[in-house]
Amino acid sequence: ETGVTQTPRHLVMGMTNKKSLKCEQHLGHNAMYWYKQSAKKPLELMFVYNFKEQTENNSVPSRFSPECPNSSHLFLHLHTLQPEDSALYLCASSQVDGYTEAFFGQGTRLTVV
Amino acid sequence: SQQGEEDPQALSIQEGENATMNCSYKTSINNLQWYRQNSGRGLVHLILIRSNEREKHSGRLRVTLDTSKKSSSLLITASRAADTASYFCATDPAVSGEYGNKLVFGAGTILRVKS
Repeated sequence: ETGVTQTPRHLVMGMTNKKSLKCEQHLGHNAMYWYKQSAKKPLELMFVYNFKEQTENNSVPSRFSPECPNSSHLFLHLHTLQPEDSALYLCASSQVDGYTEAFFGQGTRLTVV
Repeated sequence: SQQGEEDPQALSIQEGENATMNCSYKTSINNLQWYRQNSGRGLVHLILIRSNEREKHSGRLRVTLDTSKKSSSLLITASRAADTASYFCATDPAVSGEYGNKLVFGAGTILRVKS
């Protein structure tokens, strides 16, 4: 248990569905992140929120929509996804100071059918 | 472009042997971090080494950093079967006026420790 909780752990959705991934951190951190891990590719940073403000959108398609209502919660809203979006989606949190590590959740294994 | 690249891609050793994994990167960094991942699960942080540090230890782990060569190594001594996992290096790029774990990951090294 790292203090970062993601739900659901597994999700299967059709291409026309709308679903949301949830992340919650109990560590008092001021930054939260979404990463995508596809098969045989390095982890890719998708979105960064510092103090609830989005500071990074790494050229992510608009079918992925993040939301950060407060510094402890982060959502990733999904709609009209493609099969190639199937991946492990990892949430992380950290302090924004340049010298402390990020803590990751267990991830949501997403399958788009 | 990919920042961190690990070498080797896969490593198979006997229990009790040492395992060394290397990482190279391309730009200036605030810090470099090593993570471990067991079979499709979340990442577990192992060690963070700051750009002004050269070596760091944690239990059976030893990390070195050479900023002149833009490279790092992770040594696991006296390996155990439970060390079997994927290991990733990640760099926190130094961007003027910015801090934060906008980590850039390498492809990872798959370590298998045989008992």
